[in-house]
Amino acid sequence: DTEVTQTPKHLVMGMTNKKSLKCEQHMGHRAMYWYKQKAKKPPELMFVYSYEKLSINESVPSRFSPECPNSSLLNLHLHALQPEDSALYLCASSQEGVGLAGAVGYNEQFFGPGTRLTVL
Amino acid sequence: KQEVTQIPAALSVPEGENLVLNCSFTDSAIYNLQWFRQDPGKGLTSLLLIQSSQREQTSGRLNASLDKSSGRSTLYIAASQPGDSATYLCAAYDTTSGTYKYIFGTGTRLKVLA
Repeated sequence: DTEVTQTPKHLVMGMTNKKSLKCEQHMGHRAMYWYKQKAKKPPELMFVYSYEKLSINESVPSRFSPECPNSSLLNLHLHALQPEDSALYLCASSQEGVGLAGAVGYNEQFFGPGTRLTVL
Repeated sequence: KQEVTQIPAALSVPEGENLVLNCSFTDSAIYNLQWFRQDPGKGLTSLLLIQSSQREQTSGRLNASLDKSSGRSTLYIAASQPGDSATYLCAAYDTTSGTYKYIFGTGTRLKVLA
């Protein structure tokens, strides 16, 4: 299984809602990522989990809260979002732990299909 | 700070042409470089990964090269087809910032005309 799955495919939420995005992989990968992508722009890294520990937080606002309950699952909890947070949210995974100096290896990234988020 | 750029930003070619997409990075301290394609509104599909110790990788009609000393990678697509129409992104695995992470290029939007 070389697939990364993401649910839901689409999400529309108001600025006062709380919602969660879910990402799952069964490739035995030990690094998982959240990216945000606006239209016609490259993906921007938000968080990296390495061996289920948060290793990179790219100064993301606290209204985005990541969680890694186990090595296969990555969640992104959303609360009090703004309309400018509307974007495609992409999850990815790679074989090795990444993020901290010295933690490298063969780390081809595999991406999920994304969740299209619209904040009203 | 590592910066990754791709030229051209957009490209339109007739079917059957061989073409080259360029990716430049400002700091040669990269661990590997990965090429992706992205269809509109979809996730990214990995095409090729080149480790820093390698100079090129091939998969079918695709060939990617890496020259760290000059800060360049190229993606060569042979005999282009309409199905190749997509945005192509390169991502450099950057080691300059103290943490290791992928830095994405700006992308090349490719349209292959039938």
